[in-house]
Amino acid sequence: QQQVKQSPQSLIVQKGGISIINCAYENTAFDYFPWYQQFPGKGPALLIAIRPDVSEKKEGRFTISFNKSAKQFSLHIMDSQPGDSATYFCAASGRTSYDKVIFGPGTSLSVIP
Amino acid sequence: DTGVSQDPRHKITKRGQNVTFRCDPISEHNRLYWYRQTLGQGPEFLTYFQNEAQLEKSRLLSDRFSAERPKGSFSTLEIQRTEQGDSAMYLCASSFGTIEAETQYFGPGTRLLVL
Repeated sequence: QQQVKQSPQSLIVQKGGISIINCAYENTAFDYFPWYQQFPGKGPALLIAIRPDVSEKKEGRFTISFNKSAKQFSLHIMDSQPGDSATYFCAASGRTSYDKVIFGPGTSLSVIP
Repeated sequence: DTGVSQDPRHKITKRGQNVTFRCDPISEHNRLYWYRQTLGQGPEFLTYFQNEAQLEKSRLLSDRFSAERPKGSFSTLEIQRTEQGDSAMYLCASSFGTIEAETQYFGPGTRLLVL
């Protein structure tokens, strides 16, 4: 019930392309869904987050699509750049678990020129 | 820099030694979390503080691990009698808790290597 599933495990995209990462969750008590970006040797940094009362949130080149009935959400990175190459974690948290963040296993994104 | 800070950034120790890590959260944040991240995995929750009270501990946190947050400010994580399996990145995060789940801001982590 606490697990967050994420796919693909790794992704290679050409510069200018669209990167898509998909996640799914089981626990309906989750009410906050952040995406974190992590570069090697660094801590995770919040990229964008969504609550289940909206179906989409866009910030610059990054968009989260959220499907509450399917318990799925995805990250779209438009016009992908080499600087976007990093590991991306979807995550979920909720008030019933002291807000501890449950992370997906991560997607390693490589954007090639 | 007003973000979460952690010290040291790297620690190499021999098996059986004790180590202590420090985390300084964002100053107005009342919630503090410790996570552990092994190579190729997402961070895993270890423990959580609301002000100075430790409210939850993961089963990952064996009795060799202890965490404190005196006065509800900085926190320390101590590992006694370290084992090679303790080698990981230890991450600290903080948030300002209200009635909703709020964004957690992560520090740069302390990378521990147990030889």
